[in-house]
Amino acid sequence: DAKTTQPPSMDCAEGRAANLPCNHSTISGNEYVYWYRQIHSQGPQYIIHGLKNNETNEMASLIITEDRKSSTLILPHATLRDTAVYYCIVRVVFTGANNLFFGTGTRLTVIP
Amino acid sequence: SQTIHQWPATLVQPVGSPLSLECTVEGTSNPNLYWYRQAAGRGLQLLFYSVGIGQISSEVPQNLSASRPQDRQFILSSKKLLLSDSGFYLCAWSSLSWEQFFGPGTRLTVL
Repeated sequence: DAKTTQPPSMDCAEGRAANLPCNHSTISGNEYVYWYRQIHSQGPQYIIHGLKNNETNEMASLIITEDRKSSTLILPHATLRDTAVYYCIVRVVFTGANNLFFGTGTRLTVIP
Repeated sequence: SQTIHQWPATLVQPVGSPLSLECTVEGTSNPNLYWYRQAAGRGLQLLFYSVGIGQISSEVPQNLSASRPQDRQFILSSKKLLLSDSGFYLCAWSSLSWEQFFGPGTRLTVL
């Protein structure tokens, strides 16, 4: 699996957009980019995934560069409840077990 | 709707004692099941995954084992706990979707 690099921590003002970067320079053509987040003492929560096109859902937007070597998760209007550790993961999806390998992620703190 | 249960929520065990953590899933059939561990201040580490009854794959060597006696039941065990086994243990399931759904976790402290 391709290795990902994320900043260890970021702050964001409440109501502003939070832009969380992820580098995955060794990503291969059949690997997807996933984002999960983990609020303190809870299990991780799926946010969004993509292959090469930008994606948007009710939680966030995912922008993947044309060369796919990096991506950015955008929370358009951060709230205090968005304070969490955000994990960027790249993984080939098999028809069997869909193993995910989590790194240390980015700790996002939304400031009032 | 699907739900995932884990118990106990917290556990304090002495070094050398056995361990049994249970995970059950409701509302889905033939899920893929996963055990993760998160040490304090660290990311999640995949320990085991299972694609079916009796089928267990181990990702890291350790003194833990996993079993899947029923389709929607996944058990994490140890015969003798070590101090380094302390952590937050998470069970997850997935089907054909892109998501893994995580349980509430068990916080294990080995003293």
